[in-house]
Amino acid sequence: IAGITQAPTSQILAAGRRMTLRCTQDMRHNAMYWYRQDLGLGLRLIHYSNTAGTTGKGEVPDGYSVSRANTDDFPLTLASAVPSQTSVYFCASSDSHRNTGELFFGEGSRLTVL
Amino acid sequence: GQNIDQPTEMTATEGAIVQINCTYQTSGFNGLFWYQQHAGEAPTFLSYNVLDGLEEKGRFSSFLSRSKGYSYLLLKELQMKDSASYLCAVLDSNYQLIWGAGTKLIIKP
Repeated sequence: IAGITQAPTSQILAAGRRMTLRCTQDMRHNAMYWYRQDLGLGLRLIHYSNTAGTTGKGEVPDGYSVSRANTDDFPLTLASAVPSQTSVYFCASSDSHRNTGELFFGEGSRLTVL
Repeated sequence: GQNIDQPTEMTATEGAIVQINCTYQTSGFNGLFWYQQHAGEAPTFLSYNVLDGLEEKGRFSSFLSRSKGYSYLLLKELQMKDSASYLCAVLDSNYQLIWGAGTKLIIKP
């Protein structure tokens, strides 16, 4: 593993199903983030974590949950997927919890909810 | 509300120079980032400006004017591989990143 790894790369999901997007980093960064990217819109922050054991809500947290049991892993869960959650999801990390540092992004997870 | 504006799409010729503008209205300012994103890939960091002026990094330069709420990314000696989207993002007073929708740059031979 080098950098940030996301899984799955893409997924088609039936509405109402539960889905967890996985994110793992090996850079020992304290801060981690989940964004969604939709056509014509900027990246929107879903949830973030400044350090292991803490999480916070971003701009569009509804319908999503996260956990940060350790430094490396930051999974994103959709408890009951809806079509409006069709998007590309990016996990990112930074060694600066104040966002003043460079963000390192995973390759993205393309999710389609039918 | 907070707002980041950048052109949706620009076209330029290989070997030329292009300037991508970004204007912002945010609650406070703690820096401005530019990221590059090739189609289907993750964004990658290009630059960070927190003070006024021009920062040069190879073929890419980034300019900031805090009083005008304005930045631009200047790309020189354009190459086909520069075809990508360029994302402007501002760090507000709460250290939250506000992202623009991105500018898709098309390079023609």
